[in-house]
Amino acid sequence: DQQVKQNSPSLSVQEGRISILNCDYTNSMFDYFLWYKKYPAEGPTFLISISSIKDKNEDGRFTVFLNKSAKHLSLHIVPSQPGDSAVYFCAAPKRLTGNQFYFGTGTSLTVIP
Amino acid sequence: DVKVTQSSRYLVKRTGEKVFLECVQDMDHENMFWYRQDPGLGLRLIYFSYDVKMKEKGDIPEGYSVSREKKERFSLILESASTNQTSMYLCASTPTANYGYTFGSGTRLTVV
Repeated sequence: DQQVKQNSPSLSVQEGRISILNCDYTNSMFDYFLWYKKYPAEGPTFLISISSIKDKNEDGRFTVFLNKSAKHLSLHIVPSQPGDSAVYFCAAPKRLTGNQFYFGTGTSLTVIP
Repeated sequence: DVKVTQSSRYLVKRTGEKVFLECVQDMDHENMFWYRQDPGLGLRLIYFSYDVKMKEKGDIPEGYSVSREKKERFSLILESASTNQTSMYLCASTPTANYGYTFGSGTRLTVV
C-alpha cells in the first residue's frame, strides 16, 4: 500500500539549473511532509519539511511546494550543485502509530557539472 | 547534535549465519527503528521499539528479530541469514512527538 509515491526513479540536471523532484500521496489526512537526502553508504538526513497548513516552505536553495487539492508536493533545488547528487525521499507520518513514516521509493538526482 | 551510531558500515556473512546489527543513540530517545533500503523499494520498516523491552513489528519483520535491553541500544538480529537479506540497513531514533528521524550511517550487509 504505497501511500507516498515518487514516480521518477532518477533525474539528471545540469549544474546551475533547477531540479524538481516530485512526490504524490493518497491520504488527505497527512498533516506534514518531510524530505530526506541520502548519499551512498550513508544514512538519510533530514532536508526540509512542510506543514499541511502551508503551501510553500523555503530554506536556502531548497523549496518545497504543497498542492493539497492535487495531493502533490515537489522539492525545488535552485541552483543545483554537483554536491546535491543524492537520493531524495519524501515521507509522511503514519497517524496513531508513534512516529512511523511512509516513505516514497526515492528519486536519484544527478547534477552534471 | 543527536548521534545514531551503527556499529558496522559493511558486513559480509554466509547464508545460515546468525547476524547482529547494533545501533546506539546518545540522546535519550524513546523511539528506535530498523529499516532496510533496497533500490526501487525505498525504506521499509522492519521493527520498531517505543520503550525498553518493548518491540513492535513493522511492515517486513519476517526473518528478523530485535532486542532493546537498554534505552540507548536497539539490536537487529537475523536468526539465519539468507541472500534475500542482502541490503542496506538503517537505524533511526526519535523522541516522542518529534518532527522526524535521525538516521545512523547505515550497514551494508551482504549475505553470500
